[in-house]
Amino acid sequence: GAGVSQTPSNKVTEKGKYVELRCDPISGHTALYWYRQSLGQGPEFLIYFQGTGAADDSGLPNDRFFAVRPEGSVSTLKIQRTERGDSAVYLCASSSPGQWGRTDTQYFGPGTRLTVL
Amino acid sequence: GDSVTQMEGPVTLSEEAFLTINCTYTATGYPSLFWYVQYPGEGLQLLLKATKADDKGSNKGFEATYRKETTSFHLEKGSVQVSDSAVYFCALSDRDFGNEKLTFGTGTRLTIIP
Repeated sequence: GAGVSQTPSNKVTEKGKYVELRCDPISGHTALYWYRQSLGQGPEFLIYFQGTGAADDSGLPNDRFFAVRPEGSVSTLKIQRTERGDSAVYLCASSSPGQWGRTDTQYFGPGTRLTVL
Repeated sequence: GDSVTQMEGPVTLSEEAFLTINCTYTATGYPSLFWYVQYPGEGLQLLLKATKADDKGSNKGFEATYRKETTSFHLEKGSVQVSDSAVYFCALSDRDFGNEKLTFGTGTRLTIIP
């Protein structure tokens, strides 16, 4: 079946601009995660959704970053007033409900490479 | 907070060599442990996982054992192939009901030469 998809695959923008990154999870997956991967580093957690609500946004670096998931499926990560330091690959992952309240394996999308000039 | 420390790369081995990539962790709870792999041009994929002490995860000839006493989850393979060339990430998920956010190490780039 279809995996996690992310659009666009590449985004180049200028400092100060606003960007939106989209994630389409695997159908039926209620949990959705955003991560950011800087060059030469492992992914870092940004935000976790369970259904429509952001259950944990503790990884968002500052208030320029915001994410929504209005219908419990597609999610959009929004970055205002982009800075050069925001350049990274933004990864989305989804997982299905597991047993005993645990969620199952996270499946990752291919990522969106954001470059801020 | 939680953290993962893994062997720095890059690692270059000849085909059929034995592979070990070290991984140690720090966690406040009782985490699940994972190895993810990123092949060239592809997304992150789960390679194997273990959810409790002394569990051994295995897949594609790779193995890792959850060692609580040494807080380690070292990745091993007895005979590597050129197709194993990739970046390998050790990760943990601390058990916070429903929220399985992953904490990753910095990754180890593995290159296998024929």
